[in-house]
Amino acid sequence: QSALTQPASVSGSPGQSITISCTGTSSDVGGYNYVSWYQQHPGKAPKLMIYEVSNRPSGVSNRFSGSKSGNTASLTISGLQAEDEADYYCTSYTTSSTLFLFGGGTKLTVL
Amino acid sequence: QVQLQESGPGLVKPSETLSLTCTVSGGSITSYYWSWIRQPAGKGLEWIGRIYTSGNTNYNPSLKSRVTMSVDTSKNQFSLKLSSVTAADTAVYYCAREKDLSFDYWGQGTLVTVSS
Repeated sequence: QSALTQPASVSGSPGQSITISCTGTSSDVGGYNYVSWYQQHPGKAPKLMIYEVSNRPSGVSNRFSGSKSGNTASLTISGLQAEDEADYYCTSYTTSSTLFLFGGGTKLTVL
Repeated sequence: QVQLQESGPGLVKPSETLSLTCTVSGGSITSYYWSWIRQPAGKGLEWIGRIYTSGNTNYNPSLKSRVTMSVDTSKNQFSLKLSSVTAADTAVYYCAREKDLSFDYWGQGTLVTVSS
């Protein structure tokens, strides 16, 4: 089964907002509210930033928010900071036997 | 605070079996699903499979014929075996806890290189 589709890169200036999209199908993103987002700095393990489309774990900044429309989920980061520069991955539960699909990842550059 | 730590050989020969263990500390292993996820250098994440503390497993169909997972609740550990490895299996391997169909705690990752 194909991975979820994310843009390869996005960029923004400090203080601005950016949005990263994650497109799937009705069998995964569009069919369930089990989309999560992960931040990964170089050489580090991924960190959960958003779960169940729009919920933030304790300790994650409220500058991070998630949403979904149809088969596309989105991660929005407001008030960009230099420390937000990282790779971001989405994942979704899927009805296929694969169970979990990851997006290809998006590199965020803070200009 | 739950912590996960992967351990195992960093170098495996082609056609042999990769074996990794994840030790969970700071919390009980029971009543959760535990996953293995890998990431080739410079590439994205791939879910390998998961195991519940009862021993129930789900594997990625692309790897299913080569994957075996097990759990030892007495040691708070779970393990991954991947047989008949090739260079394509070279990656950083992560263990992670699954909660609400997301992965809330991750190990630091361990690089496994397949080479003779």
